[in-house]
Amino acid sequence: AQKITQTQPGMFVQEKEAVTLDCTYDTSDQSYGLFWYKQPSSGEMIFLIYQGSYDEQNATEGRYSLNFQKARKSANLVISASQLGDSAMYFCAMRRRDDKIIFGKGTRLHILP
Amino acid sequence: NAGVTQTPKFRVLKTGQSMTLLCAQDMNHEYMYWYRQDPGMGLRLIHYSVGEGTTAKGEVPDGYNVSRLKKQNFLLGLESAAPSQTSVYFCASSSGQGFSGELFFGEGSRLTVL
Repeated sequence: AQKITQTQPGMFVQEKEAVTLDCTYDTSDQSYGLFWYKQPSSGEMIFLIYQGSYDEQNATEGRYSLNFQKARKSANLVISASQLGDSAMYFCAMRRRDDKIIFGKGTRLHILP
Repeated sequence: NAGVTQTPKFRVLKTGQSMTLLCAQDMNHEYMYWYRQDPGMGLRLIHYSVGEGTTAKGEVPDGYNVSRLKKQNFLLGLESAAPSQTSVYFCASSSGQGFSGELFFGEGSRLTVL
């Protein structure tokens, strides 16, 4: 079954440090899209970054970058210079060829002052 | 800017009652999705739609029905609510431009089934 795995249920990181949130995915599709979303304690879902399966360059959006390793089927989110406001749940998601968009179970990130 | 609007935001039901959650989007998106979020389980796809008049099953469709009679609306129905359906429900829409169209989410609807 096609699925998303986030192996880190929770992480604690010191403010201003970089953090990597792991995401691996399982699919037999050749074409797909990968996303990361942030969910603060207030509950809304915020889109962070997108990577297409055929994109040769790793995606970047400000302090967010996606470390895409297609052969290993991993799409890790890297947050540089973490801030207190980065404390939240982070979800990795995949859009499949049949247009299903499935999510991992998430990683709760705590930024320590 | 309304975006994606879900109604109601909160609802308490008794076991066996029925209800409908309404999702409305004003972005002319083709694709709409219903998810449920439970602690430790992430977001699980219930049903989705790739256009007006279409629906398809997601990962956890049992106990739910959906309809997309108008492009802007996607309804999620519970015919006979069960305590296992206590959850936070999110609706989302996407432009579906290839694989890159990100999801725009509603604020969520918290449903409690007693």
